[in-house]
Amino acid sequence: EVQLVESGGGFIQPGGSLRLSCAASGFTFTTYAMTWVRQAPGKGLEWVSTISGSGTTYYATSVEGRFTISRDNSKNMLFLQMRTLRVEDTALYFCAKGHCSGGNCYWFFDLWGRGTLVTVSS
Amino acid sequence: SYELTQPPSVSVSPGQTARITCSGDAVPKKYSYWYQQKPGQAPVLLMYKDSERPSGIPERFSGSSSGTTVTLTISGVQAEDEADYHCQLVDSDSTYLPVVFGGGTKLTVL
Repeated sequence: EVQLVESGGGFIQPGGSLRLSCAASGFTFTTYAMTWVRQAPGKGLEWVSTISGSGTTYYATSVEGRFTISRDNSKNMLFLQMRTLRVEDTALYFCAKGHCSGGNCYWFFDLWGRGTLVTVSS
Repeated sequence: SYELTQPPSVSVSPGQTARITCSGDAVPKKYSYWYQQKPGQAPVLLMYKDSERPSGIPERFSGSSSGTTVTLTISGVQAEDEADYHCQLVDSDSTYLPVVFGGGTKLTVL
C-alpha cells in the first residue's frame, strides 16, 4: 500500500528537542523529494523543510538553524530533528511526497501522511 | 516572499456550485495547486498546474486562473465534499520559501 506514516510527536517544553519520523511504503522512496509541512491549531498549512532524493535540503526561515531534515533511503524513512523548540512550533506535522513525472520533479505533493502532533508548552 | 489569500469559509447547498478563491500578486506567474483536507485525514491533492486533475479526482472538481486569482470550482457539491481546501503556489527560484500555502477555506455543505 502506498502510504506515509508519521510518528514521534508529543508534548515538550520550550527549548526542548524532538525527532519526528515518517515511514514510507509502496513507492521507490529514493526517487522522490520528501517534505515536512505543519499546521498550527486552527491555521493553514506551512511548508517547513524539503530534502531531495540525493539529500539536498531546504528550510523555511522560521526553522532554519533549529530543525534538521534527513532521510535513510535504505529504510524508506524521513526524519525531522527539531531543537530549541518554541511555543509557536506547536502544530500537526505532515510528511509529504513530492510529485515527479516525465523525469521531472516538482514542488507539490501527491501523497501525505495523517500527521503527528507536536505540542510545545510550559 | 509572497502571500496567498483565501476566504475562511464558503457555504453551499448540495447540488449547487462552490467556488473557492485564492489570490495573490504571484498568482499570474506561478502554477497553483489545491488540496482537500477532511478532519483527521491526510490532505489529498485535488488539482495541479492550475487545472490538471490527478487520477481518481471526480470531474466535478475543476480549476482556473485569471489575473491574480485562482479558483477551485466544485460543481454539483455533495455532502462528502465538506472539508478544508488549501491552495499552494511554487516559487522554484526561491531556496528559502519555494512553497507557499493559502490560509485554507472551510467548505460547509448546508
